Amino acid sequence: GEEVAQTPKHLVRGEGQKAKLYCAPIKGHSYVFWYQQVLKNEFKFLISFQNENVFDETGMPKERFSAKCLPNSPCSLEIQATKLEDSAVYFCASSRLDSADSYEQYFGPGTRLTVT
Amino acid sequence: GNSVTQMEGPVTLSEEAFLTINCTYTATGYPSLFWYVQYPGEGLQLLLKATKADDKGSNKGFEATYRKETTSFHLEKGSVQVSDSAVYFCALSDLYSGGGADGLTFGKGTHLIIQP
Repeated sequence: GEEVAQTPKHLVRGEGQKAKLYCAPIKGHSYVFWYQQVLKNEFKFLISFQNENVFDETGMPKERFSAKCLPNSPCSLEIQATKLEDSAVYFCASSRLDSADSYEQYFGPGTRLTVT
Repeated sequence: GNSVTQMEGPVTLSEEAFLTINCTYTATGYPSLFWYVQYPGEGLQLLLKATKADDKGSNKGFEATYRKETTSFHLEKGSVQVSDSAVYFCALSDLYSGGGADGLTFGKGTHLIIQP
């Protein structure tokens, strides 16, 4: 598609429950990124993929967070045993190398995760 | 590491006023620079970008010039409208340090309020 799609729009989980978020990148884009936006507007980069391969995972809290991008499936971000501080909006973005030699990232509408 | 510093605001202006939102950066490589805008309850939209020194990005009356000597990318608009009220994020992507598409490093966002 021409837009990055994210599901669900809202997700509510009790502390300790699992949360799984999905992202369908724009067709033809080989890079996918996940970001976390917390209350004060701050964006934190979590992880990026080049096709199905992890490209950069330096921002991922590895003990509870995991992510995958498998062929012919939406990408996913999973949080095991959610904590209150995981409450945030999670954005997915996709990109490809353009003619100006830059990677312009297109963002999805986000998934709002509320942990109670 | 990479970082982006921008004025946080809120910045409150009257309609038709001149706007400047300052943004400075530090980067290990030769970054591409971006301004994104986030309207209430929505995801990020790319406003403009610049990929090399002295490039000027422009869109919807907004402009920003990539100044390598001062490591700045200030956003300007000559006459703002109520509809410009949003949160504006300065960001960089350090294309070459990772050999591919790095995750964006964002500033903390500037909340702009335009009063009629």
